[in-house]
Amino acid sequence: TQLLEQSPQFLSIQEGENLTVYCNSSSVFSSLQWYRQEPGEGPVLLVTVVTGGEVKKLKRLTFQFGDARKDSSLHITAAQPGDTGLYLCAGVTGNQFYFGTGTSLTVIP
Amino acid sequence: EAGVAQSPRYKIIEKRQSVAFWCNPISGHATLYWYQQILGQGPKLLIQFQNNGVVDDSQLPKDRFSAERLKGVDSTLKIQPAKLEDSAVYLCASTRGTRGDTQYFGPGTRLTVL
Repeated sequence: TQLLEQSPQFLSIQEGENLTVYCNSSSVFSSLQWYRQEPGEGPVLLVTVVTGGEVKKLKRLTFQFGDARKDSSLHITAAQPGDTGLYLCAGVTGNQFYFGTGTSLTVIP
Repeated sequence: EAGVAQSPRYKIIEKRQSVAFWCNPISGHATLYWYQQILGQGPKLLIQFQNNGVVDDSQLPKDRFSAERLKGVDSTLKIQPAKLEDSAVYLCASTRGTRGDTQYFGPGTRLTVL
């Protein structure tokens, strides 16, 4: 089983603050995905990063894939209450997905 | 296009009872996944189908869990008999092709075992 560790596990911040979530593994993946999951719903894909060192921006969210394609980070600028949710990274090899341990984010208005 | 459908949304049973979950993936999606998600944690893969064949069931507790995908379309996951530790959300997901691409998830079935 390929393990992806996310940190921190829990994060509670004030609206307007910045934050970074980390996803680390000892395994190499062909790509890495980030999902957000809200209570009572399934995870929804935010982004896929494929190339080592790749950086993608999605409005206030910045995603980076490590050079060795083993780790990734998600940075949120000026967090808003609507960003609240469970953030999951997933390493992809072929058509198999290995999910991280999850980071629960709460943004307080 | 319609999303991944799952039913029921909620189920409460007593330990040692049986339960079944149903999933209908997005039309045309070849690969179907069943995950178990403990509250606040990442999903854990139980079984992966490609069309109607099993690709990976290495983490499926086969003494109590079973799954099938007849005709390569919808799928059922069964637990018999249930244990307290089976309380979780069971998520179904599908992808279009055989290579890693976007997974589309259903809303999940929340199972409580008393």
